[in-house]
Amino acid sequence: GEDVEQSLFLSVREGDSSVINCTYTDSSSTYLYWYKQEPGAGLQLLTYIFSNMDMKQDQRLTVLLNKKDKHLSLRIADTQTGDSAIYFCAEKEGDNQGGKLIFGQGTELSVKP
Amino acid sequence: DGGITQSPKYLFRKEGQNVTLSCEQNLNHDAMYWYRQDPGQGLRLIYYSQIVNDFQKGDIAEGYSVSREKKESFPLTVTSAQKNPTAFYLCASTRTWDEKLFFGSGTQLSVL
Repeated sequence: GEDVEQSLFLSVREGDSSVINCTYTDSSSTYLYWYKQEPGAGLQLLTYIFSNMDMKQDQRLTVLLNKKDKHLSLRIADTQTGDSAIYFCAEKEGDNQGGKLIFGQGTELSVKP
Repeated sequence: DGGITQSPKYLFRKEGQNVTLSCEQNLNHDAMYWYRQDPGQGLRLIYYSQIVNDFQKGDIAEGYSVSREKKESFPLTVTSAQKNPTAFYLCASTRTWDEKLFFGSGTQLSVL
């Protein structure tokens, strides 16, 4: 079946850029998402990209999509300690309505002062 | 303020007991979802409902039950048949055909 893979951990220094990577298997994905989860909390939608785009920028966040390689990345510029959290990549299949998403395992981002 | 409210924040289940997790939304969203989160794993879909009085099984529905009597409410019951219920449960909602899924703050269920 469909699968989404992420590395489990990333550690960066405050002020550096962070790049979180994700690969997926379903070529019919229509939307791809990045969610942020702080400890003991729900998931917060950070950004999403439609599959016919290859880049989306939103303030400090840049999403890159390589549809040929089925690779999605999230770049956080000028990373702050408040960015420490778990980041989930998710995809929506082409024929899915609404919120049936396939999630990766999550990447725990640790930002050191 | 519009949002999704899950209660309680923490819940403990005794052996053989059924427990019910509450999820209420005031966003006027049509569709509601229950996901289960285990440490180091992604979210897995338990049940979803796209319209009142109708719901479908997700990938891991065994040992769970739901109802959707009102548009705003989608409670999840963890039955005694669910042998490994300890997890973080997340409720979510969206408008049908909308690309954005919004989440509640979650309920941590543990077994005594």
